[in-house]
Amino acid sequence: SDALTQPPSVSVSPGQTARISCSGGALPKQYAYWYQQKPGQAPVLVIYKDSERPSGIPERFSGSSSGTAVTLTISGVQAEDEADYYCQSADSGGSNVIFGGGTKLTVL
Amino acid sequence: QVQLQESGPGLVKPSETLSLTCTVSGGSISTYYWNWIRQPPGKGLEWIGNIYYSGTTNYNPSLKSRVTISVDTSKNQFSLSLTSVTAADTAVYFCARATTTKRGPLDSWGQGTLVTVSS
Repeated sequence: SDALTQPPSVSVSPGQTARISCSGGALPKQYAYWYQQKPGQAPVLVIYKDSERPSGIPERFSGSSSGTAVTLTISGVQAEDEADYYCQSADSGGSNVIFGGGTKLTVL
Repeated sequence: QVQLQESGPGLVKPSETLSLTCTVSGGSISTYYWNWIRQPPGKGLEWIGNIYYSGTTNYNPSLKSRVTISVDTSKNQFSLSLTSVTAADTAVYFCARATTTKRGPLDSWGQGTLVTVSS
């Protein structure tokens, strides 16, 4: 299936490392992108092309890819990183954009 | 820095047509792909579709029969039309720009506008 599957929630303490996974059948052929969304705000791109970081995004955000899964890693989590995170890719045909269901990151 | 701003009615009656416009400023609409995404209250993001400045469109298969996206390059705007709306179409609607390819990344977003479907 081309659908993207994410865990509903991840919890970490400040300073620890958070890892958010996203799996989907088309990921070996399509790039993945990650967005951070805080309450009442529009999403913000934090990772593109699986592992590239846009300018202005802190270095603690990184991405990786392996087969049918991609992972967003946040090293040294800070309280301000508490947000919903969405992975995004495309279907195997490359024409349609697909979002994962989102993961709520809680900083304990 | 490009900015996007959604506009349109915040309340639409069931069975009617939802119409929104996204105005692009700080850059030309005559490149890249321009997207509509929605988010029902308390839920995740759903891609509706996109349009290239030339008019080529791609739509979410689950909404394709009800959606039309158009572009007006003279006004630097693109628009969304969603017909036969129901309460399930109540959501915050975002417009966003996709650079590089039609698949992403979505690097610039509007602030979003809440559309409620209710009589």
